[in-house]
Amino acid sequence: DGGITQSPKYLFRKEGQNVTLSCEQNLNHDAMYWYRQDPGQGLRLIYYSQIVNDFQKGDIAEGYSVSREKKESFPLTVTSAQKNPTAFYLCASSMGDTNSGNTIYFGEGSWLTVV
Amino acid sequence: AQRVTQPEKLLSVFKGAPVELKCNYSYSGSPELFWYVQYSRQRLQLLLRHISRESIKGFTADLNKGETSFHLKKPFAQEEDSAMYYCALYSGAGSYQLTFGKGTKLSVIP
Repeated sequence: DGGITQSPKYLFRKEGQNVTLSCEQNLNHDAMYWYRQDPGQGLRLIYYSQIVNDFQKGDIAEGYSVSREKKESFPLTVTSAQKNPTAFYLCASSMGDTNSGNTIYFGEGSWLTVV
Repeated sequence: AQRVTQPEKLLSVFKGAPVELKCNYSYSGSPELFWYVQYSRQRLQLLLRHISRESIKGFTADLNKGETSFHLKKPFAQEEDSAMYYCALYSGAGSYQLTFGKGTKLSVIP
């Protein structure tokens, strides 16, 4: 089954701890993205990566870090510096940039709750 | 800065009634607009894009540059249309990102 796989689906974290969300895609897509979805806020871009070993900050990158060591993987680390980490996190990918020819595909998401 | 506004958080209509989900955008260039849909317990997926001028599941959307709008319409709502709908804007080649509105939850009443 091709697509984007995020894990875990649900994660609880204690304050002060870092946590890493996994995102894997087997679509052979070059670009990958992390969005945060909060109720009533829509989707906001955290980080994106156009190619391996390269990534750029999105609108709300503070308190997050990413890596892109492999084309198929784009893990997101939520650090203790993120002041309000409880949210729904969506990973996505596209063949290239999100122009008219490149649809962006989303994973099923990961719920992170800080306790 | 680009911005996408969806003024309605929730829209309830009866089955068989027309549906219009509003989307307005702010962008100085020539944008590309998209509608994404998220059905209950499913992942977010592309519904349609303005350049394709297509009708998907009976939905259409016309880009009105004069009014900076990209409203999503369907003449007769079905129960299976109940979902969360997001309007998104792509600002141009190389930007690598979509700007999303806050979403409208459509509820179709049987």
